[in-house]
Amino acid sequence: AQSVTQPDIHITVSEGASLELRCNYSYGATPYLFWYVQSPGQGLQLLLKYFSGDTLVQGIKGFEAEFKRSQSSFNLRKPSVHWSDAAEYFCAVGEKGGGNKLTFGTGTQLKVEL
Amino acid sequence: NAGVTQTPKFRILKIGQSMTLQCTQDMNHNYMYWYRQDPGMGLKLIYYSVGAGITDKGEVPNGYNVSRSTTEDFPLRLELAAPSQTSVYFCASLTSGSYEQYFGPGTRLTVT
Repeated sequence: AQSVTQPDIHITVSEGASLELRCNYSYGATPYLFWYVQSPGQGLQLLLKYFSGDTLVQGIKGFEAEFKRSQSSFNLRKPSVHWSDAAEYFCAVGEKGGGNKLTFGTGTQLKVEL
Repeated sequence: NAGVTQTPKFRILKIGQSMTLQCTQDMNHNYMYWYRQDPGMGLKLIYYSVGAGITDKGEVPNGYNVSRSTTEDFPLRLELAAPSQTSVYFCASLTSGSYEQYFGPGTRLTVT
């Protein structure tokens, strides 16, 4: 069965600092991978996705993520964090075929210090 | 396009009551999903549907029922509400050939 691990429950960074959120997955084949962001009291917004091809993917709001097959990782990065990036971030792995279901990690809560 | 809409936004139920959470999408998506989100647990799949008339269980289906009589609607039914069903519920949809799920704004349910 597929699974996702986000080892950091909370991360605090200063505004303007760089950010990396970790995500490790378990899946039997080449996975479909996603990062979603959730602001307080809101639904989930897709930041970026990886299906195939270039292992460095660009997303919205200046985020990027790199798929590393050898490490089973899909870490999210941003060079300079803004206060508005404070939110909860979820990594997810998608099942190919069947119901195209998503399995989510437990999330990383990002706090940005001004 | 309104996308995925959910009603109600908030609801408080007493133990043993029943209710239906509504989910509608106007994107003609074949696939629809119900998740629950509990603090520190991420999102867990309750039920999903690959098309009208077809539903299947997800990871945490106990205590819930679903139906899919139309492409647009995918209601989630709680028959005998229990405190363990206090959660935030999200509906999502996806179209064939894509793997990107679109999420609704959620329903916050409290059972006391």
